[in-house]
Amino acid sequence: ETGVTQSPTHLIKTRGQQVTLRCSSQSGHNTVSWYQQALGQGPQFIFQYYREEENGRGNFPPRFSGLQFPNYSSELNVNALELDDSALYLCASAPTSGSYNEQFFGPGTRLTVL
Amino acid sequence: AQRVTQPEKLLSVFKGAPVELKCNYSYSGSPELFWYVQYSRQRLQLLLRHISRESIKGFTADLNKGETSFHLKKPFAQEEDSAMYYCALRATSGSRLTFGEGTQLTVNP
Repeated sequence: ETGVTQSPTHLIKTRGQQVTLRCSSQSGHNTVSWYQQALGQGPQFIFQYYREEENGRGNFPPRFSGLQFPNYSSELNVNALELDDSALYLCASAPTSGSYNEQFFGPGTRLTVL
Repeated sequence: AQRVTQPEKLLSVFKGAPVELKCNYSYSGSPELFWYVQYSRQRLQLLLRHISRESIKGFTADLNKGETSFHLKKPFAQEEDSAMYYCALRATSGSRLTFGEGTQLTVNP
């Protein structure tokens, strides 16, 4: 059983550009959540996907969008990048069956916007 | 709205001393509370959750609904406990986690 993986590990973009971050869920998990963690802060919920549908969204503008694929992997897309988008982006997957609904986190993608 | 507050950004104790990491929350319903830990160069991982009522690595946490708190405690800190600790709340099963800002615990030899 493999854990949650994310790619790339780091990337650097400039203001106004677009970025796509990728996440592979842990085997058997069909729910993926994305979080933004700014420096010195706790993770903030962006949105969650369940069986390819958005299933909850945090307080982030529409330029943050996502996709979930049939294999339950996921993408986070951010358009028109701003300096404040510089952060660690975390992906977490969870099984939805059973009461032990722990979220398993990936290592994150460090995005720097210049 | 739900909110999690961890009043201490940094906490330093000596090995063998008791440690308590504070967490307060605001939520009108019945939340699930969690403690997550991030060791150096490792990913965020679940330490314990209030519904399990178990002790993990010597840590315990009791949900106090009257005081809306979920403090993490360990009677005798070890150097390997040094890490960043996040308290988190989940309003309904499967929904978002709301995290506090975290407490960096350092256990000195």
